[in-house]
Amino acid sequence: QVQLVQSGAEVKEPGASVKVSCKASGYSFSGYPMHWVRQAPGQRLEWMGWINTGNGNTKYSQKFQGRVTFTRDTSASTAYMELGSLRSEDTAVFYCARDIGRTLFYWGQGTLVTVSS
Amino acid sequence: QSALTQPASVSGSPGQSITISCTGTSSDVGSYNLVSWYQQHPGKAPKLMIYEGSKRPSGVSNRFSGSKSGNTASLTVSGLQAEDEADYYCCSYAESTTWVFGGGTKLTVL
Repeated sequence: QVQLVQSGAEVKEPGASVKVSCKASGYSFSGYPMHWVRQAPGQRLEWMGWINTGNGNTKYSQKFQGRVTFTRDTSASTAYMELGSLRSEDTAVFYCARDIGRTLFYWGQGTLVTVSS
Repeated sequence: QSALTQPASVSGSPGQSITISCTGTSSDVGSYNLVSWYQQHPGKAPKLMIYEGSKRPSGVSNRFSGSKSGNTASLTVSGLQAEDEADYYCCSYAESTTWVFGGGTKLTVL
């Protein structure tokens, strides 16, 4: 069955970067784009962008453009999200979600990133 | 891009039906039949309940249904059960290959 398993919780200082991984199994990794979504505590879901896992092309939300980078390792069936210049407002749970037909169909379990000095 | 507009909260008694609205614009909800709905219990990842406006993924109860009219999509939950109590988010594909979520609606089963 389809599984998306994300890396564990992180604590970072303001100004640092964080890299979250999302390991896929149960399907052809390169065949489906991967989205990334942020959810701050008690807040709504926010779409951050997506990556074409086949050719590596990316599209970022304007809100995160310039601060976020999506990459992938097809040999490891893993997608990565790196967010830089962290600030306290970036404390959130980050989710990866596999696309099917322009729907965020399957979701990872989420990774909590805490930004604190 | 602005979030889609959802009511902050809705409530209903067991066995009743409720409807959650999701209002967007002609750049997102109104232009594409690509609205999805997610259920999220506290501390859990979102779960897809409806996609492409009205389709249910395998395993989702037929008590959940979706529709759209103009720039507004709706999620109806019939025969409310205690386990339906959760946050619900709509999401729409939008122009320039982007996606936008709603602000979320807290469903309380009285």
